[in-house]
Amino acid sequence: AQSVTQLGSHVSVSEGALVLLRCNYSSSVPPYLFWYVQYPNQGLQLLLKYTSAATLVKGINGFEAEFKKSETSFHLTKPSAHMSDAAEYFCAVFGAQKLVFGQGTRLTINP
Amino acid sequence: DAMVIQNPRYQVTQFGKPVTLSCSQTLNHNVMYWYQQKSSQAPKLLFHYYDKDFNNEADTPDNFQSRRPNTSFCFLDIRSPGLGDAAMYLCATSRETGTGGAADTQYFGPGTRLTVL
Repeated sequence: AQSVTQLGSHVSVSEGALVLLRCNYSSSVPPYLFWYVQYPNQGLQLLLKYTSAATLVKGINGFEAEFKKSETSFHLTKPSAHMSDAAEYFCAVFGAQKLVFGQGTRLTINP
Repeated sequence: DAMVIQNPRYQVTQFGKPVTLSCSQTLNHNVMYWYQQKSSQAPKLLFHYYDKDFNNEADTPDNFQSRRPNTSFCFLDIRSPGLGDAAMYLCATSRETGTGGAADTQYFGPGTRLTVL
């Protein structure tokens, strides 16, 4: 069965610093992977998705993620954090005809 | 803009008093989902409709039911809300499900936060 594990329930970075949110997947078939962002009291917004067309996926708000099969990883990065990036981030894999979410990583940005 | 709309955004109900949450979509997607999300947790799928076909998750309590009268609308009914049902309820849609392709991408509404007194 497909699953994802997000390493670190809380990540704190300074404004302008690199953001790195980690996600590892488990899948017996080529995975279909997503990153979603959730702002307080809001629904989930799609940041980016991996469709096997390219290993480096660019998303909205300056985020990108790289699919690494050898490491079974799909980490989310942004070169320079902004205060508005503070939110909860969920990695997800599509499996058994449904999205399987990781537990989420809360990103805090320090001024 | 095509979108997923949920009403109301905030709902307060009393213990045991039935409540209905609403979701509508302008994306003309085949699939509509309902998720429950408790504080600091990942969303948990309750059920989904593929067109008129209802698919219940095995661990969804009988207290939760759903209706999809047409392509655009889907409702979540909680027959007798308990304190443990207080949560954010998220509706999502996708064009298809199970194809393993871009059509499976789910688009979420803003959610309804349910408080049970």
